[in-house]
Amino acid sequence: GAVVSQHPSRVICKSGTSVKIECRSLDFQATTMFWYRQFPKQSLMLMATSNEGSKATYEQGVEKDKFLINHASLTLSTLTVTSAHPEDSSFYICSARVRLAGGVDTQYFGPGTRLTVL
Amino acid sequence: AQSVTQLDSQVPVFEEAPVELRCNYSSSVSVYLFWYVQYPNQGLQLLLKYLSGSTLVKSINGFEAEFNKSQTSFHLRKPSVHISDTAEYFCAVSDRPGKLIFGQGTTLQVKP
Repeated sequence: GAVVSQHPSRVICKSGTSVKIECRSLDFQATTMFWYRQFPKQSLMLMATSNEGSKATYEQGVEKDKFLINHASLTLSTLTVTSAHPEDSSFYICSARVRLAGGVDTQYFGPGTRLTVL
Repeated sequence: AQSVTQLDSQVPVFEEAPVELRCNYSSSVSVYLFWYVQYPNQGLQLLLKYLSGSTLVKSINGFEAEFNKSQTSFHLRKPSVHISDTAEYFCAVSDRPGKLIFGQGTTLQVKP
């Protein structure tokens, strides 16, 4: 099946610094990737849709200047949390859109990145 | 607007017992339905999906789910659970390409 990787798996940073998280599709090309945020014991909340070669589409309430998304190639999307604060601490998960037989889309998820801001 | 409700936040069950994790959705259009599993500190893995055709879908590890249009449900079942099935299970619905709406998740706790 399709494999999606994320790097790093865990990161701890100081308040005010920026952190970059990478999401890669390893054995397929993904024109669309998604970034989710998951708080403890809660479901995934879609943050933004990342499209290769164009600007990301952000969900309502997500600050685009704080969560910078770049989808520079068909296998790589990055999420940069700028000027991180403790409330940004969370589990960030990316996924890649995959077209199944019959033209139906689904998503394959990365393993997630645990961000802790001190 | 679409929404997904997982009625049980936690389901404790003994090993080798049957289990059902409930999922109901609301949508005014045709939908595709998914179950994802998340093991501790890992991302989500697709467990099974309903796209069309047979309303009963099965996974390779013994789980199955049945799409019930009249009850707008997509409950997940397994006749005999293992310790290794302990995880968080998410039901999701999609009515357009790439957009997934997740339920709140159900923690399945399998006890020896």
